[in-house]
Amino acid sequence: AQSVTQLGSHVSVSEGALVLLRCNYSSSVPPYLFWYVQYPNQGLQLLLKYTSAATLVKGINGFEAEFKKSETSFHLTKPSAHMSDAAEYFCAVSKEGFQKLVFGTGTRLLVSP
Amino acid sequence: SQTIHQWPATLVQPVGSPLSLECTVEGTSNPNLYWYRQAAGRGLQLLFYSIGIGQISSEVPQNLSASRPQDRQFILSSKKLLLSDSGFYLCAWSGGIYGYTFGSGTRLTVV
Repeated sequence: AQSVTQLGSHVSVSEGALVLLRCNYSSSVPPYLFWYVQYPNQGLQLLLKYTSAATLVKGINGFEAEFKKSETSFHLTKPSAHMSDAAEYFCAVSKEGFQKLVFGTGTRLLVSP
Repeated sequence: SQTIHQWPATLVQPVGSPLSLECTVEGTSNPNLYWYRQAAGRGLQLLFYSIGIGQISSEVPQNLSASRPQDRQFILSSKKLLLSDSGFYLCAWSGGIYGYTFGSGTRLTVV
């Protein structure tokens, strides 16, 4: 069965610092992987997705993620954090293409001035 | 363009009362529809999904039910709410290469 593990329920960075949010997946088939962002009391917005094409995926708001099969990882990064990046981030894996996403428990990103 | 509407945004209901949350999708046909629940401090749990009218699959046993009376309408219901039903409920749809699109969510507080 597919699953994802997000290491760290909270990550704190200073404005301008590197953002690294970790996600490891488990899948018996080549996975589809996703990162979503959620602002308070809102739905989830897609940041980026991996669908077996390029292993380095660029998303919105300057975020990117690299699919590493050998490490079963799909970590999310951003070179320079902005205050507006403070939100909760969810990694997800798909069981069937774009269907039935299974989400991690989320990582709350805190950005300090 | 495709849009998804979910309402109400917030709801406070007494224990034992019924529940009906509605989700509609516009701009697409035959979407896959999903209900997720996000409890405080936890991730998203898939509750129900539907691949077509009248076709509902339940992922976890619970006090809730779902129905899809029309192609682009998905309803989450309960006959008698429990305190443990409190949470943030999200509707989503998927279709083809578009992946998932989420509604804005409903914050349900059972008191």
